[in-house]
Amino acid sequence: GAVVSQHPSWVICKSGTSVKIECRSLDFQATTMFWYRQFPKQSLMLMATSNEGSKATYEQGVEKDKFLINHASLTLSTLTVTSAHPEDSSFYICSATRLGSPYNEQFFGPGTRLTVL
Amino acid sequence: AQSVTQPDIHITVSEGASLELRCNYSYGATPYLFWYVQSPGQGLQLLLKYFSGDTLVQGIKGFEAEFKRSQSSFNLRKPSVHWSDAAEYFCAVALPSNDYKLSFGAGTTVTVRA
Repeated sequence: GAVVSQHPSWVICKSGTSVKIECRSLDFQATTMFWYRQFPKQSLMLMATSNEGSKATYEQGVEKDKFLINHASLTLSTLTVTSAHPEDSSFYICSATRLGSPYNEQFFGPGTRLTVL
Repeated sequence: AQSVTQPDIHITVSEGASLELRCNYSYGATPYLFWYVQSPGQGLQLLLKYFSGDTLVQGIKGFEAEFKRSQSSFNLRKPSVHWSDAAEYFCAVALPSNDYKLSFGAGTTVTVRA
């Protein structure tokens, strides 16, 4: 159990367009979902934390108007990269914590590769 | 400053040889400790975790890690590596005081030669 999926697995878009990435917990209810970005050959950097039905909490330096996060249900969170530019090209990974899980253990999705032309 | 350090950026090891990846942390309290593996273009897979208790932790794929409080370390080991172990390895910590948010080390790339 504790499977997290992401869709799409990769996306290419033109500069100036918006892209939506979905993160789903397939077999459990996720109390909290996290969004990370990872540049090539680098570590994961936490972007924001989202809880179902409330506004996301963004980490310092992350533009909340650029990276819109919606957590509409206990199994779905979406990240929308608005007016994407080439510098937004990155690997975006989500994770989720399972309701009732001790220590808020995070289960990771497979990631979404975003390329902005 | 609070941090997670993986001193080795890249390690090359022969297939069948042993592997040890280092991880040190700098926090006021003992954090929860994790090791993740990431294959190219993939998400993260949890290898093992330490919350409390026995300081030698067994994980998946034949990996183990030992928590040493005196050295603030949580090194990952595998007695005999397989070519499929070539990947990126991340050490991560979480603190209850920080809502268990994960902080990752910079990662260690493991290359396995035949």
